Amino acid sequence: DAMVIQNPRYQVTQFGKPVTLSCSQTLNHNVMYWYQQKSSQAPKLLFHYYDKDFNNEADTPDNFQSRRPNTSFCFLDIRSPGLGDAAMYLCATSPGGQGADTQYFGPGTRLTVL
Amino acid sequence: GQNIDQPTEMTATEGAIVQINCTYQTSGFNGLFWYQQHAGEAPTFLSYNVLDGLEEKGRFSSFLSRSKGYSYLLLKELQMKDSASYLCAVLDSNYQLIWGAGTKLIIKP
Repeated sequence: DAMVIQNPRYQVTQFGKPVTLSCSQTLNHNVMYWYQQKSSQAPKLLFHYYDKDFNNEADTPDNFQSRRPNTSFCFLDIRSPGLGDAAMYLCATSPGGQGADTQYFGPGTRLTVL
Repeated sequence: GQNIDQPTEMTATEGAIVQINCTYQTSGFNGLFWYQQHAGEAPTFLSYNVLDGLEEKGRFSSFLSRSKGYSYLLLKELQMKDSASYLCAVLDSNYQLIWGAGTKLIIKP
């Protein structure tokens, strides 16, 4: 089945220790997104890629970086996680054709910062 | 600024009908999405409306009025598994998705 896969599902890291979250997709979609979602809040867009074209949201902290080495994979690097970065991180993809795109989400990675 | 408003929480009874409202103020409009999100899981797509009117999909229907900046999600014959958060999201003129904070729906037996 075509899908969006995120690994790991649960990640624990220590304050200040770099962490990388991964996302892969078998949908062959052009666009990939990273969202941060805290409890009872709306997902907050951090980055998105249209193919290899990287788009950084204006208010995404410098502590967050992203890589998309190929169409199928996308990584989120948190250089120095703080307690406030504990959240669910959602990867999503969309076809990226003209007009409105439906986004399809992976299961998410729940990050705990100790 | 851009804004999506939906109630924080609603409670309904198994077997009943519930309507979750969403109002929006965005720069431009290219459609409105409803997603379902169970606790600790990712959002899953429910519906997309870009024209005024009602779209029915099984037990779930979604309505849009562009002139009023208003949508609702109607859930019929509620089941316990429908307990989840329901997120309204609007695609703005730049095709960016603006998200509401979600409505937590609690179903009671």
